[in-house]
Amino acid sequence: AQSVTQLDSHVSVSEGTPVLLRCNYSSSYSPSLFWYVQHPNKGLQLLLKYTSAATLVKGINGFEAEFKKSETSFHLTKPSAHMSDAAEYFCVGGGADGLTFGKGTHLIIQP
Amino acid sequence: GAGVSQSPRYKVAKRGQDVALRCDPISGHVSLFWYQQALGQGPEFLTYFQNEAQLDKSGLPSDRFFAERPEGSVSTLKIQRTQQEDSAVYLCASSLFASGGGFYNEQFFGPGTRLTVL
Repeated sequence: AQSVTQLDSHVSVSEGTPVLLRCNYSSSYSPSLFWYVQHPNKGLQLLLKYTSAATLVKGINGFEAEFKKSETSFHLTKPSAHMSDAAEYFCVGGGADGLTFGKGTHLIIQP
Repeated sequence: GAGVSQSPRYKVAKRGQDVALRCDPISGHVSLFWYQQALGQGPEFLTYFQNEAQLDKSGLPSDRFFAERPEGSVSTLKIQRTQQEDSAVYLCASSLFASGGGFYNEQFFGPGTRLTVL
């Protein structure tokens, strides 16, 4: 079985400053890991995915995430936040027993 | 567009009423998934289809929940005798890949159906 833990339920940053959304995973085998974003009244959209090809994964809209096996982490970062980044972000683990979603991190962008 | 669509987008039901939620996946996608997302929570897996076969229904919370995909494309999630605890957003997702690949690869999500049971 696997589990995904998002360490912060809410993160607030100022526009133009870096974003860090934290995620830890627990799995007995090498997982597939994803970050999805959910804007209000819209479907979940894939930001990026890790599938063991490279530990640093670049996604859409300037986001990237680094898989660190030693820390069992897959934190999402962006160098400079934009107002349009305000949304709910989900770290997701994928494996043979299905997709496991974290509880989500609400990203707030202050003007 | 050619994304996953769901209908209705919003549904209000009286307790005890039956409801049916529809999902139109991306054409050609083999795998189809249903998730339940309670307020303030992440989505939780309900059931999975590979073409018309329902391969996993371990996440369905009770026997009041039933899903089908008879022709391997459109899927319907039916909830009988709705209860207040069924209030949630029901998400449908599809994936090009089959079986385990569907869980390891990207799933494309629809906008969801928000069900409110009074």
